[in-house]
Amino acid sequence: RKEVEQDPGPFNVPEGATVAFNCTYSNSASQSFFWYRQDCRKEPKLLMSVYSSGNEDGRFTAQLNRASQYISLLIRDSKLSDSATYLCVVNGDGNKLVFGAGTILRVKS
Amino acid sequence: EAGVTQFPSHSVIEKGQTVTLRCDPISGHDNLYWYRRVMGKEIKFLLHFVKESKQDESGMPNNRFLAERTGGTYSTLKVQPAELEDSGVYFCASSQDLGLGELFFGEGSRLTVL
Repeated sequence: RKEVEQDPGPFNVPEGATVAFNCTYSNSASQSFFWYRQDCRKEPKLLMSVYSSGNEDGRFTAQLNRASQYISLLIRDSKLSDSATYLCVVNGDGNKLVFGAGTILRVKS
Repeated sequence: EAGVTQFPSHSVIEKGQTVTLRCDPISGHDNLYWYRRVMGKEIKFLLHFVKESKQDESGMPNNRFLAERTGGTYSTLKVQPAELEDSGVYFCASSQDLGLGELFFGEGSRLTVL
């Protein structure tokens, strides 16, 4: 079983749609959780950290359910520029990040 | 401020040859990480330096891979001899804090082994 599992997609949505990505992780000792965004042939960039109480940054909302070891990302009012691969990331043993394989989002006009 | 820079951006070599990848972290970042993404797989941790010391090298696949960070500034990752399965994108990342704050990634070095 992979340490971090994501639906690979692709999610094809129209502009203005709301889309949700899910992620599960296997290491119950994980304490830090993130969503990174990766554009085609570019480096991953931090989109947002995920806090236990849930957090929002503009059109983006992240939720964490420690009991279920489940993380989500909600994107409202999708823009063409949101098209990218969204990586669910948790901390593993030590100071290393464990990445999911990513979920591809394609927003179309 | 300059971000994390990696060189070369793309390297094509034959099986059995040697390749050295270089990473210049953001100035002042003591923590430097190497990650790798092979085709169709997720990004995987290779190793972590704190200054010039290897903090964790549990992700290094085998002894054909050698990472160094002399002087605690830039780092190199050497693959010798390269095998077909080493093909992929090698990302370097750096951070200021030891705890898991934001990691800043370079654009990656794409390695193709023929």
